[in-house]
Amino acid sequence: NAGVTQTPKFRVLKTGQSMTLLCAQDMNHEYMYWYRQDPGMGLRLIHYSVGEGTTAKGEVPDGYNVSRLKKQNFLLGLESAAPSQTSVYFCASRDTEFEQFFGPGTRLTVL
Amino acid sequence: RKEVEQDPGPFNVPEGATVAFNCTYSNSASQSFFWYRQDCRKEPKLLMSVYSSGNEDGRFTAQLNRASQYISLLIRDSKLSDSATYLCVVRGTYKYIFGTGTRLKVLA
Repeated sequence: NAGVTQTPKFRVLKTGQSMTLLCAQDMNHEYMYWYRQDPGMGLRLIHYSVGEGTTAKGEVPDGYNVSRLKKQNFLLGLESAAPSQTSVYFCASRDTEFEQFFGPGTRLTVL
Repeated sequence: RKEVEQDPGPFNVPEGATVAFNCTYSNSASQSFFWYRQDCRKEPKLLMSVYSSGNEDGRFTAQLNRASQYISLLIRDSKLSDSATYLCVVRGTYKYIFGTGTRLKVLA
């Protein structure tokens, strides 16, 4: 089992560019989450999904969109990147038990 | 007021010391409580869940006080490998709220 994987691991964007971050899990988990982590702020929830075809907003959803077309994948999109979106992005998944399993993170810099 | 508050530290302790971390949360309807460990530039990993009755896993003991909305983590006989950031996490229905973390550095 690979667990939770994230693609890419690193990315540098220019302001206004778009990109999609991919999260994949092979544990057949229903719930998936996208967080961002900034110094002194802790992890903040961007969007989450409680099952295939569903998404919901978290604490800081502005500037991001998500899709969960397949149960194993959760995509996070930035339509027009801004320097304020420079962060480390973590994806997580869980089943009906409450432990979240995290991916290794994507380090995004927006210039 | 933050929903989950932790002392950011850092806590610098010698090997073998006992160290305690505290966390408070504001939502009395919170359902589950956890401590996660995060190493530098790595993803968070579950250290232990926290129950009202208190629970222990080797050198680690976690306590929950629902009345005071307070969670604690005690580490006994600290090891160099315990150096990390410890995140207090509180779960609502679907969402998890993370504290900003407490940094621990265990010194030789």
